[in-house]
Amino acid sequence: EDKVVQSPLSLVVHEGDTVTLNCSYEVTNFRSLLWYKQEKKAPTFLFMLTSSGIEKKSGRLSSILDKKELFSILNITATQTGDSAVYLCGDNYGQNFVFGPGTRLSVLP
Amino acid sequence: NAGVTQTPKFRILKIGQSMTLQCTQDMNHNYMYWYRQDPGMGLKLIYYSVGAGITDKGEVPNGYNVSRSTTEDFPLRLELAAPSQTSVYFCASSTSFGSSGNTIYFGEGSWLTVV
Repeated sequence: EDKVVQSPLSLVVHEGDTVTLNCSYEVTNFRSLLWYKQEKKAPTFLFMLTSSGIEKKSGRLSSILDKKELFSILNITATQTGDSAVYLCGDNYGQNFVFGPGTRLSVLP
Repeated sequence: NAGVTQTPKFRILKIGQSMTLQCTQDMNHNYMYWYRQDPGMGLKLIYYSVGAGITDKGEVPNGYNVSRSTTEDFPLRLELAAPSQTSVYFCASSTSFGSSGNTIYFGEGSWLTVV
């Protein structure tokens, strides 16, 4: 079974800071890398990455995949308190999904 | 837009009791999943199904059973509840196998406590 590792596991920043969350994965039958935001309820979809080097953006969030290094990052610029959440990275391999432990981001006012 | 619906949202069980977590999706997805998430931990796959009548074990299947009689429904049954099954349970679904990967959609979660 594939394994997903995220770092850091916890991060505390102040509003306006820029953060980078890391995700590394093992590939057995890799199909896509997924990022989700979880705020004490169901994870909500952020990005799906399938190709190396192509950045996906959504407002202040962006993400990119490096399939050679088996690595992805999620960037959040000008953080806001509403960005406080657990960010999950997931690997879609074959017909299944495996998730990392998440990075707990706390944004202080 | 209902998506993936789980019930109940909260439940307290006594040790040894049994219960079923219900899950239904209205997106006509073939693939459905049950995950559990312990505090501070990632999502662990319990069981999954690739279509009606087909189920398979995930990473942590012990103590659970599933069935998939229809495309829409994928109930999870806990037999003889144990404190180790105290967790948040998420049902999820995704489209069928495609060449470029799929997105997985989650239900709102079911908070289960076994005392």
